[in-house]
Amino acid sequence: QKEVEQNSGPLSVPEGAIASLNCTYSDRGSQSFFWYRQYSGKSPELIMSIYSNGDKEDGRFTAQLNKASQYVSLLIRDSQPSDSATYLCAVRGGTYKYIFGTGTRLKVLA
Amino acid sequence: EADIYQTPRYLVIGTGKKITLECSQTMGHDKMYWYQQDPGMELHLIHYSYGVNSTEKGDLSSESTVSRIRTEHFPLTLESARPSHTSQYLCASSVYGNTEAFFGQGTRLTVV
Repeated sequence: QKEVEQNSGPLSVPEGAIASLNCTYSDRGSQSFFWYRQYSGKSPELIMSIYSNGDKEDGRFTAQLNKASQYVSLLIRDSQPSDSATYLCAVRGGTYKYIFGTGTRLKVLA
Repeated sequence: EADIYQTPRYLVIGTGKKITLECSQTMGHDKMYWYQQDPGMELHLIHYSYGVNSTEKGDLSSESTVSRIRTEHFPLTLESARPSHTSQYLCASSVYGNTEAFFGQGTRLTVV
């Protein structure tokens, strides 16, 4: 079992719809959770960080964390073609290493 | 915007050459990381550092070495490049605590 698991996609959504991206992790000691966006050939850029159970909203993005279920999700409202990218879930535990999932490729159809 | 810089951005080099990929950050971050990423694939941690004179191997076996003599500088060296080293190398840094990591723009290495 991988430490951080994501569906590789592609996840295709029409423009204006809500995109829902999911991530599960195996280490119950994980303390910090992050979503990064990566365009093809570019480096990852941080979108959201979340540290406690519940929802955290930032503009069109909402991160959700459920530590009991070891589950993190990212919702993108009013999806735009410019949101088309690979979304990486990252988890950080007590060793301060960031472990990344394989990423979910999102395609927003105009 | 994160201030972490990688040079060169692109490098094409012959087999057997020694290469050093540079990574510098101006944020005073104590933790620094090197990841390797093949196109369309996941990031693999190859080296990390908690601070000056601290380096650790990551989860992916790598023939590279790193050093951390200054807080802001974390170079990665390949003593003898091989075609299997062709990949993108990403440097990242973070501050102490449960905070996010910031990435440099990456170095795309091609060994011919």
